[in-house]
Amino acid sequence: EPEVTQTPSHQVTQMGQEVILRCVPISNHLYFYWYRQILGQKVEFLVSFYNNEISEKSEIFDDQFSVERPDGSNFTLKIRSTKLEDSAMYFCASSAVGTGAGNSPLHFGNGTRLTVT
Amino acid sequence: SQKIEQNSEALNIQEGKTATLTCNYTNYSPAYLQWYRQDPGRGPVFLLLIRENEKEKRKERLKVTFDTTLKQSLFHITASQPADSATYLCALDDTDKLIFGTGTRLQVFP
Repeated sequence: EPEVTQTPSHQVTQMGQEVILRCVPISNHLYFYWYRQILGQKVEFLVSFYNNEISEKSEIFDDQFSVERPDGSNFTLKIRSTKLEDSAMYFCASSAVGTGAGNSPLHFGNGTRLTVT
Repeated sequence: SQKIEQNSEALNIQEGKTATLTCNYTNYSPAYLQWYRQDPGRGPVFLLLIRENEKEKRKERLKVTFDTTLKQSLFHITASQPADSATYLCALDDTDKLIFGTGTRLQVFP
């Protein structure tokens, strides 16, 4: 069964550094998402992406964050200047149709654990 | 404010019994509701989707109900097994995103 893959599985970085988290969504999916989960807390929406542009973003997704689909397969999340509070598990997800369509489970990768020191 | 609430305490049940997990929401009008399973250190895995005009949905040992009047969904696992031990998340659609509840940890002991 096709799956969403994320790399790296664990990233350690120093405060103020830039990080890029990478995802390869399922190949025929059109909608892409990033979520994060701080240890022991709930899965939080960051951003949705369709047709090469952001569909919606949360308050967490401030100017320090950006997303890109640089080619036909990769989907990246960049954090420009990391803060301690950015430490979390970051999940990429994709779906065949958007969540507004009513019939669209999200397929998640197994995440990148980001540790900011 | 908008909320999706699930039992924050872990649910411990004996193997073979039925586990029932609750999801309550306020200030949302979802067209559908989804349930996911999450194992430690892993991403959520989709289990079931139910639409607002459906009262109940089943898949093997799983059953979901959706009551838009009560603003509640119940998730049942019948004949539970230790392998069902995980955190279960409910999620609602909200325009172009899925919003997750806090999850309920289920522990099934032999």
